[in-house]
Amino acid sequence: DAGITQSPRHKVTETGTPVTLRCHQTENHRYMYWYRQDPGHGLRLIHYSYGVKDTDKGEVSDGYSVSRSKTEDFLLTLESATSSQTSVYFCAISEGWETDTQYFGPGTRLTVL
Amino acid sequence: AQSVAQPEDQVNVAEGNPLTVKCTYSVSGNPYLFWYVQYPNRGLQFLLKYITGDNLVKGSYGFEAEFNKSQTSFHLKKPSALVSDSALYFCAVRDAGSARQLTFGSGTQLTVLP
Repeated sequence: DAGITQSPRHKVTETGTPVTLRCHQTENHRYMYWYRQDPGHGLRLIHYSYGVKDTDKGEVSDGYSVSRSKTEDFLLTLESATSSQTSVYFCAISEGWETDTQYFGPGTRLTVL
Repeated sequence: AQSVAQPEDQVNVAEGNPLTVKCTYSVSGNPYLFWYVQYPNRGLQFLLKYITGDNLVKGSYGFEAEFNKSQTSFHLKKPSALVSDSALYFCAVRDAGSARQLTFGSGTQLTVLP
């Protein structure tokens, strides 16, 4: 999985609790992304980062925040988890922007009860 | 706006037969097109991409895809399917020159029957 790790790999939490997912890369790639995967929807972009402390919103950013204090780490936070955020979350990285391939981590399965 | 469609949720093919997984797209300018594969409980793996040049793109594991601008399609193909090709396949598109991010299709489940 291209030098990308995600932690935790599985998490069960309750509605209203905060949750932080971590993505760590060893490739020194500039761009990092958080996606969620839901049946029938493919992958949808939540947030992405184009450098340390540089982030922007994706298609489904409501209820999520991100931070990137180091090149290698990209954190996704659910401030107050809801059942609609039950999903599989994938981190991806790419060296460049437009034509560069994105490489994906193994995913985190999050269940919000 | 950019969008991508995978018209078939499920494709079944017998082992040894050719396989095709369909993808059509819509962009304002020129497209950058990607195919990924996902095995159960794994992340997406890159198969191939079309940026420019030859319309026939060859990728990993014997897969290839043909870019057809007039039909706005980028179908994934393999001449002889293997049972191990059974997986979920995603097509993705980005509008060249735009600030938009990659847009993924909803996926096609390929099952290769022994």
